[in-house]
Amino acid sequence: DIVMTQSPDSLAVSLGERATINCKSSQSVLYSSNNQNYLAWYQQKSGQPPKLLIYWASTRESGVPDRFSGSGSGTDFTLTISSLQAEDVAVYYCQQYYSTLHTFGQGTKLEIK
Amino acid sequence: EVQLLESGGGLVQPGGSLRLSCAASGFTFSNYAMSWVRQAPGKGLEWVSFIRESGSDTYYADSVRGRFTISRDNSKNTLFLQINNLRAEDTAVYYCAKANAATASDSWGQGTLVIVSS
Repeated sequence: DIVMTQSPDSLAVSLGERATINCKSSQSVLYSSNNQNYLAWYQQKSGQPPKLLIYWASTRESGVPDRFSGSGSGTDFTLTISSLQAEDVAVYYCQQYYSTLHTFGQGTKLEIK
Repeated sequence: EVQLLESGGGLVQPGGSLRLSCAASGFTFSNYAMSWVRQAPGKGLEWVSFIRESGSDTYYADSVRGRFTISRDNSKNTLFLQINNLRAEDTAVYYCAKANAATASDSWGQGTLVIVSS
């Protein structure tokens, strides 16, 4: 199984500042035939189901604010929120869908400092 | 508008069984792969199972393989999860999710709660 490890486990950032969450996979999730990284990011607010933010590691889902961006390739990935807003308080998860077992990271809790 | 409505959760004794359903609407169900994802109380997301559009291919997490069976009825726009031999550690909210073309889950239901307790 591909193990996904996020860092940090929790993060406190001031409003308007940049937030960065990292995700590392135990093996590459880059599919050579299409040069795509099979990596997604989700946001889960308290009491709600998850919401897809980013797929293919850097493609923003329709309707997601452009302050959210994804980067990275192979085994190392980053979700960046360029200017933190109050409504961004949530737990963020990465997920790989390269293998047939679509494992999630353990989650990163983002709070306001 | 895509809608996914899970049902079938409840309180069940260890060793018992449940069949979860997910009624889909707002999209051509037969054209999309689907997943089940669960979340134990206060814990993170755990991917459970995945089924291709036609139902021909299914995949399971190691923790549920042999006890859980995913299936779909494309004529009724419904996804199922048969869960057998339930254990306390299966207690969770179970979400169904629609996969996009990239196989990421772009729409989620509100979830159904399964509690395994004697």
